[in-house]
Amino acid sequence: RKEVEQDPGPFNVPEGATVAFNCTYSNSASQSFFWYRQDCRKEPKLLMSVYSSGNEDGRFTAQLNRASQYISLLIRDSKLSDSATYLCVVTLSGNTPLVFGKGTRLSVIA
Amino acid sequence: DVKVTQSSRYLVKRTGEKVFLECVQDMDHENMFWYRQDPGLGLRLIYFSYDVKMKEKGDIPEGYSVSREKKERFSLILESASTNQTSMYLCASSGQGFHYGYTFGSGTRLTVV
Repeated sequence: RKEVEQDPGPFNVPEGATVAFNCTYSNSASQSFFWYRQDCRKEPKLLMSVYSSGNEDGRFTAQLNRASQYISLLIRDSKLSDSATYLCVVTLSGNTPLVFGKGTRLSVIA
Repeated sequence: DVKVTQSSRYLVKRTGEKVFLECVQDMDHENMFWYRQDPGLGLRLIYFSYDVKMKEKGDIPEGYSVSREKKERFSLILESASTNQTSMYLCASSGQGFHYGYTFGSGTRLTVV
């Protein structure tokens, strides 16, 4: 079983749409969770951390469900500039490396 | 602006050559990492280091070695390059406790011919 699983997409959505990505992780002992964004031919960049209580940053909302081992990212009012690959990332503890999902590709279309 | 700098954006090497990929960070981070990224396979951890002269194997260390003689520099070495090592190589660093997230370099696209 893969440690971090994501739907690879692509998700093709019109501008202004709301889109949600899901991610599941296999190790119930995982402690820290993140979403990274990677533009084509660029390095991954931290988008946001994911907290148990859920957190919001502008149009982006991240949720964590520890019981189901499930993480989500919601993007409201999609912009063309949101087109990228979104990577779900998990780590066991503060001293183990991050484990990356393979990413979900989003294309926002005018 | 904090940075992780990889020495080359593109490299072309011949099979059997010894290849050095260099990574330097200016954030005084303890932890540094080397990943490779391939289509359909995502990011895979090759080696990491949590201190000077320390190294740990990641998920795919075969065919690679690393060197960390100074805190700011982490080198990836391909002892004898092979065509299946053609890939995008990404270096990253993080502060104490990996849960703070990583800062990545812009990557080196290596082609072995």
